[in-house]
Amino acid sequence: KAGVTQTPRYLIKTRGQQVTLSCSPISGHRSVSWYQQTPGQGLQFLFEYFSETQRNKGNFPGRFSGRQFSNSRSEMNVSTLELGDSALYLCASSPGTVQTGELFFGEGSRLTVL
Amino acid sequence: AQSVTQPDIHITVSEGASLELRCNYSYGATPYLFWYVQSPGQGLQLLLKYFSGDTLVQGIKGFEAEFKRSQSSFNLRKPSVHWSDAAEYFCAVGPPQGSNYKLTFGKGTLLTVNP
Repeated sequence: KAGVTQTPRYLIKTRGQQVTLSCSPISGHRSVSWYQQTPGQGLQFLFEYFSETQRNKGNFPGRFSGRQFSNSRSEMNVSTLELGDSALYLCASSPGTVQTGELFFGEGSRLTVL
Repeated sequence: AQSVTQPDIHITVSEGASLELRCNYSYGATPYLFWYVQSPGQGLQLLLKYFSGDTLVQGIKGFEAEFKRSQSSFNLRKPSVHWSDAAEYFCAVGPPQGSNYKLTFGKGTLLTVNP
């Protein structure tokens, strides 16, 4: 069974640009969560989607947004990039219908903002 | 609000030595508890989890963790560390119920293993 796939793995942007990251969950998983990982703040929850609906949202500005498609694939978008947005963005999937609590993580998309 | 504290930012052990990584949490009720491991440039892999029942849980790669309700702790242990265990370890808590599901992570403990 294929794991969680994130693309692109690495990308470099400049301040003011926008970026879109993609996540394909494990087959059959309907919940996709996004986390931001930085050396200073650690792992912080961004949002969670289930059946194309955002169920939960972390404390991030509106520049951070996401969506989920009918095939459970998810994208997150960051607009008007700032230097502080440089981070590893991790996607995680779970079945979503029963809260077993276990999340399966992808390898992440490392964003560098110059 | 829930929080997770991993008091040790960096631990160095010799290969073959025993290991204990500490984790304390603050939560309104007994949460779901997890330990994840992250190798350089990789995502997070689940080592073990506690939902209820036996307070000593076994995980992959020879790791175990013990839940102590009175101390709000969930420490990770391994009797004999291998060089391949060098990585960053994260403790996390999640709500035991509800659809608004998210994990709260500790800041992590970086493990270095000396030959």
